[in-house]
Amino acid sequence: AQTVTQSQPEMSVQEAETVTLSCTYDTSENNYYLFWYKQPPSRQMILVIRQEAYKQQNATENRFSVNFQKAAKSFSLKISDSQLGDTAMYFCALTTSGTYKYIFGTGTRLKVLA
Amino acid sequence: NAGVMQNPRHLVRRRGQEARLRCSPMKGHSHVYWYRQLPEEGLKFMVYLQKENIIDESGMPKERFSAEFPKEGPSILRIQQVVRGDSAAYFCASSPKAPGQGTNNEQFFGPGTRLTVL
Repeated sequence: AQTVTQSQPEMSVQEAETVTLSCTYDTSENNYYLFWYKQPPSRQMILVIRQEAYKQQNATENRFSVNFQKAAKSFSLKISDSQLGDTAMYFCALTTSGTYKYIFGTGTRLKVLA
Repeated sequence: NAGVMQNPRHLVRRRGQEARLRCSPMKGHSHVYWYRQLPEEGLKFMVYLQKENIIDESGMPKERFSAEFPKEGPSILRIQQVVRGDSAAYFCASSPKAPGQGTNNEQFFGPGTRLTVL
C-alpha cells in the first residue's frame, strides 16, 4: 500500500522568512511522481511543484523548492521569502507510473504573518 | 484553453434529496477522476472514467453513489438520498492520456463542488 504522511498539521512563518513543510511517503514502486498542491480558502487545488522520482535534481519553481531524499522517502517543500498570499493548506501527493490514483497527505495549514 | 470546470461550486441539499455534480474536463482530455475531500482531510480517490466507461470505481461507496462520463457532455457524479456524512468538497480532475502512456501522470484539478447536506 502507498501512503503519504504530513506530520505538521499547522505552521506559521513571518512574512519574508523561509519555511519548510515536511512530507514522507511509502511506495514499493521505482517509478513515481510527487507533488505539492496549494489549497487557498477558495479551495482550488493549485499545483505548486512536481518531482519525478527518477530525477536526482531537486525541482525548483521560483520561491518554491523541494528537498527530495529518495532513500529516506522524504519530500519536503521549502518556501523562501514567504508572502501573505502563501497562506493556505498545502498537500503532498504521490502517484506511481502507470496508475492514476493520487494519494494525498492530510495537509499542513500554513499561515504567513505580517 | 479553459481549465477543468465544475458546477455548481456550492450545492445545498436536505437529507434524502439527490445531488448531481458536473465536471467538464479540459479540452482534449478524455480521462476524468473524481476525488472527495472530507473536512480537515486530504483528497481521496473515488472513481476513474473514460468516455462511456467506468475504469475503476473502487473508491466510491457501493450504495447511493454513481458516476458517468457520456460520449457527449460533462461527467456526472450522482449521490442519491444524501446524508449529512456526504457533506464534503468533491473535486474532478482530468488528463489527456491514460496513465503510463508517455505522460507524467499529471492530473489537472477543477475548483471543486462543496456539498452541504442539511
